[in-house]
Amino acid sequence: NAGVTQTPKFRVLKTGQSMTLLCAQDMNHEYMYWYRQDPGMGLRLIHYSVGEGTTAKGEVPDGYNVSRLKKQNFLLGLESAAPSQTSVYFCASSYSTSTSGGLLSYEQYFGPGTRLTVT
Amino acid sequence: KNEVEQSPQNLTAQEGEFITINCSYSVGISALHWLQQHPGGGIVSLFMLSSGKKKHGRLIATINIQEKHSSLHITASHPRDSAVYICAAGDHSGYSTLTFGKGTMLLVSP
Repeated sequence: NAGVTQTPKFRVLKTGQSMTLLCAQDMNHEYMYWYRQDPGMGLRLIHYSVGEGTTAKGEVPDGYNVSRLKKQNFLLGLESAAPSQTSVYFCASSYSTSTSGGLLSYEQYFGPGTRLTVT
Repeated sequence: KNEVEQSPQNLTAQEGEFITINCSYSVGISALHWLQQHPGGGIVSLFMLSSGKKKHGRLIATINIQEKHSSLHITASHPRDSAVYICAAGDHSGYSTLTFGKGTMLLVSP
């Protein structure tokens, strides 16, 4: 199993350019997440998905769009990149079970990260 | 919004020392996660706990729900333990959305 993979590993963009980051997981997990990590700040949730065809906003969604057309893939798009989006981006996935007490979710598995620089 | 605070921010230790990293949060949670990130490396989940104590090898995690506090202990520390340790609070949505602390950078010298 490859686990969670991210493409690309590094990218340099000019302001105003667009790009898509791809996250793929082979663990059949329902839940997938996109985070950004900046120096001096904790990881922050950008968007997440609780199943194929569904997405939701996290803490810092502005400037990003996402899509989950297939269960195993979660795409993060930057339509018009800005220097403030220079960061390391991590994707993660997790599974859940349904119990009599409600949804029970588990540990998250992280991808290796994508280092994005916007000049 | 949950506020997650970690202490200390930086920690240096000699090989063999017992290490404690603390984490506090402001709002009730579904579970508390401890993660490890090596320099330039990816992020690995160490523990997820909602009560009591968990142990894995030389690592021990505890949580006190009433006090909204968790600790990560490393016994007999080793240079390979040098990494950033991150705690994260899971909300009650069932979707495991996490609020992260800023991390504790640990350096263990031989």
